[in-house]
Amino acid sequence: AQSVAQPEDQVNVAEGNPLTVKCTYSVSGNPYLFWYVQYPNRGLQFLLKYITGDNLVKGSYGFEAEFNKSQTSFHLKKPSALVSDSALYFCAVRHLTIPDKLIFGTGTRLQVFP
Amino acid sequence: EAGVAQSPRYKIIEKRQSVAFWCNPISGHATLYWYQQILGQGPKLLIQFQNNGVVDDSQLPKDRFSAERLKGVDSTLKIQPAKLEDSAVYLCASSPASGLYNEQFFGPGTRLTVL
Repeated sequence: AQSVAQPEDQVNVAEGNPLTVKCTYSVSGNPYLFWYVQYPNRGLQFLLKYITGDNLVKGSYGFEAEFNKSQTSFHLKKPSALVSDSALYFCAVRHLTIPDKLIFGTGTRLQVFP
Repeated sequence: EAGVAQSPRYKIIEKRQSVAFWCNPISGHATLYWYQQILGQGPKLLIQFQNNGVVDDSQLPKDRFSAERLKGVDSTLKIQPAKLEDSAVYLCASSPASGLYNEQFFGPGTRLTVL
């Protein structure tokens, strides 16, 4: 069965420092991976996706993610964190057989301190 | 363009009562999703529609939950009767088409509290 794991409940980083939010996956076949962000009292917003091709995927708000097949990881990164990046981040994997069905991880809360 | 609309934003009911949520997707989006997000967990798909047909409802507790999308546009999700464990945020999302790895656009959600 497809699944993703987010090993950290919370990540704390100082403003201006690089940030990484971790995600590992378990899939049969080629993985299709996504990152979404959720701000307080709002729905999820799409950040980026990996379907195929370049292992470094660039997304919205300066975020990028690196697909690593050997480590089965898809970590979210940003070179310089902003206080406004503080939010809940979800990694997701596309279901193997049901079109557009996403299976989400448990989420990682990112806190950026000024 | 207007986003996904949901109402109400908040609802408090007692157990065994009924409740309904409404969702209006982005105009022209064929696929509509209802998710349940329990505090501290990721969203779990309850039901997925392609136009007015059901693509997947494998995780919908059909003894108490029902959903419809009669004209292939807006949708309602109903819980009858509600249980304490139904307390969650119910998210609606839509996407333009199926099978093309499209991003999903989410509404703000309805926060349900069952007392």
